[in-house]
Amino acid sequence: EAGVVQSPRYKIIEKKQPVAFWCNPISGHNTLYWYRQNLGQGPELLIRYENEEAVDDSQLPKDRFSAERLKGVDSTLKIQPAELGDSAVYLCASSGGALSNYGYTFGSGTRLTVV
Amino acid sequence: AQKVTQAQTEISVVEKEDVTLDCVYETRDTTYYLFWYKQPPSGELVFLIRRNSFDEQNEISGRYSWNFQKSTSSFNFTITASQVVDSAVYFCALSEANTGGFKTIFGAGTRLFVKA
Repeated sequence: EAGVVQSPRYKIIEKKQPVAFWCNPISGHNTLYWYRQNLGQGPELLIRYENEEAVDDSQLPKDRFSAERLKGVDSTLKIQPAELGDSAVYLCASSGGALSNYGYTFGSGTRLTVV
Repeated sequence: AQKVTQAQTEISVVEKEDVTLDCVYETRDTTYYLFWYKQPPSGELVFLIRRNSFDEQNEISGRYSWNFQKSTSSFNFTITASQVVDSAVYFCALSEANTGGFKTIFGAGTRLFVKA
């Protein structure tokens, strides 16, 4: 079974440019998470989806970040315009429900560098 | 508010040494869940264990063992006879039941170097 798939793996853009990340969760996982991981820190939640509904976006910087999960399967996270401080690894994770005995399954992440 | 502290930023050991990674957490909830994840150089976080607040039994899985002590709010992770493949960043995480288990807070991580 394929794990959580993210693309691209790496992205380098100039500040003020837009960028998008894509995530395909594990089949059957209704819950999808986007996390941001700054260098030397743990992941921080940006947004959580239950199927196609964003049920927790309280930590998403909505002035420049947006996300969608139109059919309740794969998801896209967008930044427009990007700033230097957005350089980080963006991780997608999915789970089969709350309190899964197996935690979350994470993708390999997209490493974004804004120059 | 929930918080996870991993005081050890980096640890370096020689292969076959035992190593313990510390984790201290803060929560007001009486029901919560603790996790450990491993992040190898490839980048993805790999789930290692989940422990419920009402289950203080320690757990052993091969060379890995976990010591959960509510009295000190600690959930420490020990690797016995470390191997080079254990080199990674290890994250401790906490999720409170009052968030439905959905809001997981991660510590800053401990980078483990195991030298041959």
